[in-house]
Amino acid sequence: AQSVTQLGSHVSVSEGALVLLRCNYSSSVPPYLFWYVQYPNQGLQLLLKYTSAATLVKGINGFEAEFKKSETSFHLTKPSAHMSDAAEYFCAVSDQDNAGNMLTFGGGTRLMVKP
Amino acid sequence: DTEVTQTPKHLVMGMTNKKSLKCEQHMGHRAMYWYKQKAKKPPELMFVYSYEKLSINESVPSRFSPECPNSSLLNLHLHALQPEDSALYLCASSQDAGLAEGYEQYFGPGTRLTVT
Repeated sequence: AQSVTQLGSHVSVSEGALVLLRCNYSSSVPPYLFWYVQYPNQGLQLLLKYTSAATLVKGINGFEAEFKKSETSFHLTKPSAHMSDAAEYFCAVSDQDNAGNMLTFGGGTRLMVKP
Repeated sequence: DTEVTQTPKHLVMGMTNKKSLKCEQHMGHRAMYWYKQKAKKPPELMFVYSYEKLSINESVPSRFSPECPNSSLLNLHLHALQPEDSALYLCASSQDAGLAEGYEQYFGPGTRLTVT
């Protein structure tokens, strides 16, 4: 069974500082990995996805994530935080053992950006 | 256009009411999903439709009844709900439900449901 762990339910950074949101997965087969962002009272928006084409994945809004198989990690980074980045971030995994393209979500990380 | 629309945005209903949530996408996607999200929690999968057929039901109580009238529309019929069913209900779609390409899911803005 696959699972996703997001270390840190809350992360606080200053505006302009590096953003690092951690995601570790467990999967018995090569996974597909996703990062989604959710702003208050809204649905989830796809930031980026990993499907084995390249280990460094660039997404929208200046975010990127690196797939490290040896560490079973897919951490999300952004060089310089903006106030508008404050939101809930979810890491998700699906793998070839699943039927119906099911996503397994991590518990989420709330990013707070201080002025 | 990568938009999934949901109506209504908010819904308040009593435990004896019958109501429906509606979801629509015009991306030509053949897989559609219903999720339930409680506050400060990740979305929980409820149902998956693939090519207009129900392919996954995650042991959801029968007071929730999904319907897929055509490839663009997905409904969730609600009847005799409980207060603990209050949540944000999210609809999503993807190109296919198969895993060959790791198709991403596109989410709608959700319906905020309150059961009184």
